[in-house]
Amino acid sequence: GAGVSQSPRYKVAKRGQDVALRCDPISGHVSLFWYQQALGQGPEFLTYFQNEAQLDKSGLPSDRFFAERPEGSVSTLKIQRTQQEDSAVYLCASSRLIQGAGNTIYFGEGSWLTVV
Amino acid sequence: AQRVTQPEKLLSVFKGAPVELKCNYSYSGSPELFWYVQYSRQRLQLLLRHISRESIKGFTADLNKGETSFHLKKPFAQEEDSAMYYCALSREYGNKLVFGAGTILRVKS
Repeated sequence: GAGVSQSPRYKVAKRGQDVALRCDPISGHVSLFWYQQALGQGPEFLTYFQNEAQLDKSGLPSDRFFAERPEGSVSTLKIQRTQQEDSAVYLCASSRLIQGAGNTIYFGEGSWLTVV
Repeated sequence: AQRVTQPEKLLSVFKGAPVELKCNYSYSGSPELFWYVQYSRQRLQLLLRHISRESIKGFTADLNKGETSFHLKKPFAQEEDSAMYYCALSREYGNKLVFGAGTILRVKS
């Protein structure tokens, strides 16, 4: 595809419900990131994948948050037993390289999660 | 700890006026600094990075290590510059970004 694609774009979940957010990165991109953006704040890092390996999950706020990228392409962020404080925009991003001066990170449009 | 501070939530200027969006950072090593922009109803996108030392859409930003700042400047604002601007840093040769809270730039005609 032309860019990073995320679904669903909008999700309303009842408190306690489990949700799954999907990210389709740009084809061939090695690196994949998840960020959480609360209202009025900048994006905050959640987790990073290099191909299928989850190399950094230091930003996941609790053990209710789980991310996977089993085949090194599509990724899913799962939130169990959602709480109101989970309400945010969840951004997925991907980049062709692992790191370096020429590496540009491309963001998706985000999945807007509202927990009621 | 890495931190990015954007002191202004909203900056409102008239078309043709100079613009300066402030960004200060704290980081113990050698960071890479970026400006990202989000236009209305569009996704977050890279505007410029300090290592490129280039001007994009008339915007420039100079890394001042002494003042730990990376302010974004444009001499003459255009209405199409109205957007949300985020300053971000990563560690040298890293890829995880730390973002500021963002500044809304509103250019009035």
